[in-house]
Amino acid sequence: QVQLVESGGGLVKPGGSLRLSCAASGFSFSDYYMIWIRQAPGKGLEWVSYISSYGTTMYDADSVRGRFTVSRDNAENSLYLQMDSLRVEDTAVYYCAREPMYDFWSGHFDSWGRGTLVTVSS
Amino acid sequence: QSVLTQPPSASGPPGQRVTISCSGSSSNIGTKTVNWYQQLPGTAPKLLIYSDNQRPSGVPDRFSSSRSGTSASLAISGLQSEDEADYYCAAWDDNLNGPVFGGGTKLTVL
Repeated sequence: QVQLVESGGGLVKPGGSLRLSCAASGFSFSDYYMIWIRQAPGKGLEWVSYISSYGTTMYDADSVRGRFTVSRDNAENSLYLQMDSLRVEDTAVYYCAREPMYDFWSGHFDSWGRGTLVTVSS
Repeated sequence: QSVLTQPPSASGPPGQRVTISCSGSSSNIGTKTVNWYQQLPGTAPKLLIYSDNQRPSGVPDRFSSSRSGTSASLAISGLQSEDEADYYCAAWDDNLNGPVFGGGTKLTVL
């Protein structure tokens, strides 16, 4: 069955870095656009970074542009998020989700991981 | 401040019908399809409705939605206790080049 499993979260100091991973299985990874979405404690959903099926197009939210970098390795069925210059306000659960290629750039995320918690605190 | 506007809360007794609104603008809902997500307490969001009114396999037909102009709404009929969750609308935004979400509506089944 479809599985998305995030890892790499943890506690980091402001200004520090983390690299999140999302391992995909149970489907043809290269047929899907992928996205990172975060949810701060007690808050709503916020998209972070988006990447097309072959990694040729990426979009980042204004709040993370220049600090976060999304990438993917289709041979390894993996999605990544390199997070640098972390701020306290980046504290959140980070989810990876997939979007079918036939409905790309639509906000249609048909499968989500369970998320990984990133805490930025001194 | 979310780009899409939802009421923070909604409620109804079991068996009732409840609707949740989602208001946007011409750069998102006005020209793009709307998706809805259900987030049960302590879990990841789950796709509930996509492309304005399509239900993924396994989603009961008690859930329906529509879009008109720059607004959309989710209707849940025959409310059940297991429907207690947060509900989010989402759509692509041409100005932001990314998906935008509503702030979420917490549904309470009385």
